[in-house]
Amino acid sequence: EAGVAQSPRYKIIEKRQSVAFWCNPISGHATLYWYQQILGQGPKLLIQFQNNGVVDDSQLPKDRFSAERLKGVDSTLKIQPAKLEDSAVYLCASSSLKHGTGGNTGELFFGEGSRLTVL
Amino acid sequence: GNSVTQMEGPVTLSEEAFLTINCTYTATGYPSLFWYVQYPGEGLQLLLKATKADDKGSNKGFEATYRKETTSFHLEKGSVQVSDSAVYFCALRRMDSSYKLIFGSGTRLLVRP
Repeated sequence: EAGVAQSPRYKIIEKRQSVAFWCNPISGHATLYWYQQILGQGPKLLIQFQNNGVVDDSQLPKDRFSAERLKGVDSTLKIQPAKLEDSAVYLCASSSLKHGTGGNTGELFFGEGSRLTVL
Repeated sequence: GNSVTQMEGPVTLSEEAFLTINCTYTATGYPSLFWYVQYPGEGLQLLLKATKADDKGSNKGFEATYRKETTSFHLEKGSVQVSDSAVYFCALRRMDSSYKLIFGSGTRLLVRP
């Protein structure tokens, strides 16, 4: 079974430029997550989708970050304009767990991440 | 609020030594608890999990017991190997409708031959 695919693996940009990251989840997984992992910290959830709808985007800096999941499969995360503090690894994860259905099973499968350096 | 606190690293051990990485949590209700591992250059992988009090998760020689009375989920291994060198993250899953994973800051383990 193919895992979660992310691209690009590495990106270096200057501040105020824009960048986009792409994620292809495991086939059939309804739920998709974008996490931000700053060096030395644990991952922090930015946004959670179920199919093509947003479940939780409370930690997404909406003045510069946007994300979409058209057709409920692939997702893109965009940053415009980038700031120095956006330097981090952006992790995509997917799960078969469906929001609101109860229970607490449903492992998250993570991609290898996209490392962003803002100069 | 919900949070996870892990012991700071790095933890440096010799091969075959005993490992403990402490993890405590704060949460409302009864969250599920997880340990994830991140090997160099790779993504996060689920190592083990426990979904209710007194459950013991185990995998690859690692164990952790869900202790509700001490709100802890310490990771242990009896004999570490060089290949266990990685960053270990403790996490909880909220039991509200979002099922969001909340991670600790991670503990780097370095095992020397």
